[in-house]
Amino acid sequence: DGGITQSPKYLFRKEGQNVTLSCEQNLNHDAMYWYRQDPGQGLRLIYYSQIVNDFQKGDIAEGYSVSREKKESFPLTVTSAQKNPTAFYLCASSIDRSTTNYGYTFGSGTRLTVV
Amino acid sequence: QKEVEQNSGPLSVPEGAIASLNCTYSDRGSQSFFWYRQYSGKSPELIMSIYSNGDKEDGRFTAQLNKASQYVSLLIRDSQPSDSATYLCAVDNYGQNFVFGPGTRLSVLP
Repeated sequence: DGGITQSPKYLFRKEGQNVTLSCEQNLNHDAMYWYRQDPGQGLRLIYYSQIVNDFQKGDIAEGYSVSREKKESFPLTVTSAQKNPTAFYLCASSIDRSTTNYGYTFGSGTRLTVV
Repeated sequence: QKEVEQNSGPLSVPEGAIASLNCTYSDRGSQSFFWYRQYSGKSPELIMSIYSNGDKEDGRFTAQLNKASQYVSLLIRDSQPSDSATYLCAVDNYGQNFVFGPGTRLSVLP
């Protein structure tokens, strides 16, 4: 079955440590996105990529980095510069580079906790 | 900064009633609007989209759009306890990505 796979489901990060969240899709979707969700809040855009080898900063990119070396993969690294990384991270994809006509397909999310 | 506003709730309705969820957006140029349902601890699921002024029906769900008032709503008829979730309004950002509202938590009481 086609879909988006995020791993791990739960992740614990120590202070000063970089961690990478995986996002893989087999839907042949062009565009991929990373959002962060804090309790009681909506989704905030971190980074997005509409084509391979290109990505754009979202509203809260500071302290995060991404790569898009393959169409199927869009990993997110949470660096030590992100001071408050505890949140639920959602990866999404869209069939087309333009979102106007199509919605997102979401992965199941990664819950990151700083310990 | 584009803004999407929703009442956070909780909105409580009895089983079988109509639930009305509202959303306003700041950018008059927005073209498409999506509603997602998110159960606690899970990822959002797409319910429906709307692009033109007026109503669009899909089963028990009806989306309503008024671009002049920059207002979009979702009606859920014959509400069931399984509809209890947070409903997210998403507004297209010129084809680049979506801006999400904070969500409205709906509770359907048996």
